[in-house]
Amino acid sequence: ILNVEQSPQSLHVQEGDSTNFTCSFPSSNFYALHWYRWETAKSPEALFVMTLNGDEKKKGRISATLNTKEGYSYLYIKGSQPEDSATYLCALSQGAQKLVFGQGTRLAINP
Amino acid sequence: NAGVMQNPRHLVRRRGQEARLRCSPMKGHSHVYWYRQLPEEGLKFMVYLQKENIIDESGMPKERFSAEFPKEGPSILRIQQVVRGDSAAYFCASSPQTGGSGQPQHFGDGTRLSIL
Repeated sequence: ILNVEQSPQSLHVQEGDSTNFTCSFPSSNFYALHWYRWETAKSPEALFVMTLNGDEKKKGRISATLNTKEGYSYLYIKGSQPEDSATYLCALSQGAQKLVFGQGTRLAINP
Repeated sequence: NAGVMQNPRHLVRRRGQEARLRCSPMKGHSHVYWYRQLPEEGLKFMVYLQKENIIDESGMPKERFSAEFPKEGPSILRIQQVVRGDSAAYFCASSPQTGGSGQPQHFGDGTRLSIL
């Protein structure tokens, strides 16, 4: 059974601080790694799709890195703002079709 | 440019009734995916469809659940003879081509199904 693990499960960060969290996955049969931001009562919003070992992607204050050989990806948020409060999901593309999601990291930014 | 549209947003059914959940993909998208989030759990894949074809239904319960994506109209997830354990949020996503080629899946707002 394919297992995608995210840590930590939840995180409280002071406004203005930077933070990061981890997504771990089996390194075999890798197709792509997706990151989503999911705010309460909204739909998951696609942040990044990464396919190549060593990939780094950036969107504003949010960036992500990928290591397919060791099976992990990091998501970084620089200078956290209250609007960054959300659950961050990573998902592994399996067979170029369905996504296998981790349980998410719930991020709360304290003003 | 409208996103993925799901309706209804909330659906209440009594045990034994049928539930029909609809999903209209983003314009130009021909691939539809259904995911389910049970209480206190993460998103789990159910089924992947292209127009008039079920490509992968490995995540669908074997009984009572069916999905279709007709040539015209929205994709439908149908649950017959609902039970309390079917209470969940059901999300639809679409993509112009499969996610493994670097395309994200775009999600709708979900349908919250409650079984009385």
